[in-house]
Amino acid sequence: DAKTTQPNSMESNEEEPVHLPCNHSTISGTDYIHWYRQLPSQGPEYVIHGLTSNVNNRMASLAIAEDRKSSTLILHRATLRDAAVYYCILRDDSGGGADGLTFGKGTHLIIQP
Amino acid sequence: DTAVSQTPKYLVTQMGNDKSIKCEQNLGHDTMYWYKQDSKKFLKIMFSYNNKELIINETVPNRFSPKSPDKAHLNLHINSLELGDSAVYFCASSQVYGEQFFGPGTRLTVL
Repeated sequence: DAKTTQPNSMESNEEEPVHLPCNHSTISGTDYIHWYRQLPSQGPEYVIHGLTSNVNNRMASLAIAEDRKSSTLILHRATLRDAAVYYCILRDDSGGGADGLTFGKGTHLIIQP
Repeated sequence: DTAVSQTPKYLVTQMGNDKSIKCEQNLGHDTMYWYKQDSKKFLKIMFSYNNKELIINETVPNRFSPKSPDKAHLNLHINSLELGDSAVYFCASSQVYGEQFFGPGTRLTVL
């Protein structure tokens, strides 16, 4: 799986939007971009994923650059419950198997009340 | 109902012992995984099982062995525990290439 680069930490205020960047300059054409987050003392949880087009769900939006070398996870209105480590992960979903996820260091998001 | 459950939540044991961690999922998923999160918080895939067949076996010591009695269960057996095995172990499940659902983790402490 290709490597991703994320800031170690970011800080934001409650009820404001948060933009979490991820660089993946060596992404291949079949790599999907996955985002997971891990709240304190919990297992990781899925946030969103996409291939080329921007994606929206109830939790967040994923904006993918046209060249796919970077992406941004957008939390539209952060709450204290969004304080977590956010992981940007690439995975080649073109094969027939079921690969695990390769987690990096992630971004520790701090939300100020 | 908990989608992915693990038992026990905490496990404290002596070096050299053999222990097991159980995992069950009630989501009807085809694939289950084991991850290890070390003291520096790095999460690493250990194994995945698809339809009772091992698909991935990362560079994990053969003291670790996954056992799947059925599609809903993937247990982790660890023989001859070492200090370095202390970590939080997470079980997860998914449909093939679907989102993964993680359990709450089992904190293993080897004394």
